[in-house]
Amino acid sequence: EVQLVESGGGLVQPGGSLRLSCAASGFSFSTYWMSWVRQDPGKGLEWVANIKKDGSEKYYVDSVKGRFTISRDNAKNSLYLQMNSLRAEDTAVYYCARWGLVSRALDIWGQGTMVTVSS
Amino acid sequence: QTVVTQEPSFSVSPGGTVTLTCDLSSGSVSTSSYPNWYQQTPGQAPRTLIYSTNTRSSGVPDRFSGSILGNKAALTITGAQADDESDYYCMLYLGSGIWVFGGGTKLTVL
Repeated sequence: EVQLVESGGGLVQPGGSLRLSCAASGFSFSTYWMSWVRQDPGKGLEWVANIKKDGSEKYYVDSVKGRFTISRDNAKNSLYLQMNSLRAEDTAVYYCARWGLVSRALDIWGQGTMVTVSS
Repeated sequence: QTVVTQEPSFSVSPGGTVTLTCDLSSGSVSTSSYPNWYQQTPGQAPRTLIYSTNTRSSGVPDRFSGSILGNKAALTITGAQADDESDYYCMLYLGSGIWVFGGGTKLTVL
């Protein structure tokens, strides 16, 4: 079964750091671009970052540039999001998602992990 | 900053047809924007409906269709059913590796 499972969410104080992980299974992870998408509870989706299949290209939404880093370990079939200098507005459910090989769309999504930034 | 605008809410009768749109503040939506459409029900992860303007994702009923209408991307649901009641999000490619979601449309079927 093709699956993405996020972990690492939790409560963190403003200015703190957190590292999210996404474990992929059921497909050839190194073949796919991957992404992080977040959603403030009760609000809309926001694309956060993309990473190329070999990690050589990374793209970010302006609001997280310089604070968040997307990375991957293809040997471990894992995607990561290092989040530093966290702000209250980073509070959201963070989804790991896979880009389709043919489609330019996110075709597989994890169930998400909640990040709460609060003092 | 580029903003992608969708209708906040829409209502359709069972069996009816509804068209949701996706507009770009900085210009026109085209096929080069690779419009995607996602459906999300409360507590669930999004599901891909349409990609690259008008291609249905695997398993998506043919009552869902995508297009470019004027300067906007559009999602049309023909013969709406009760379980189509969901939130719908478009996603556009802005270039230079950057993507953006619209604010979403809450569709009510009643």
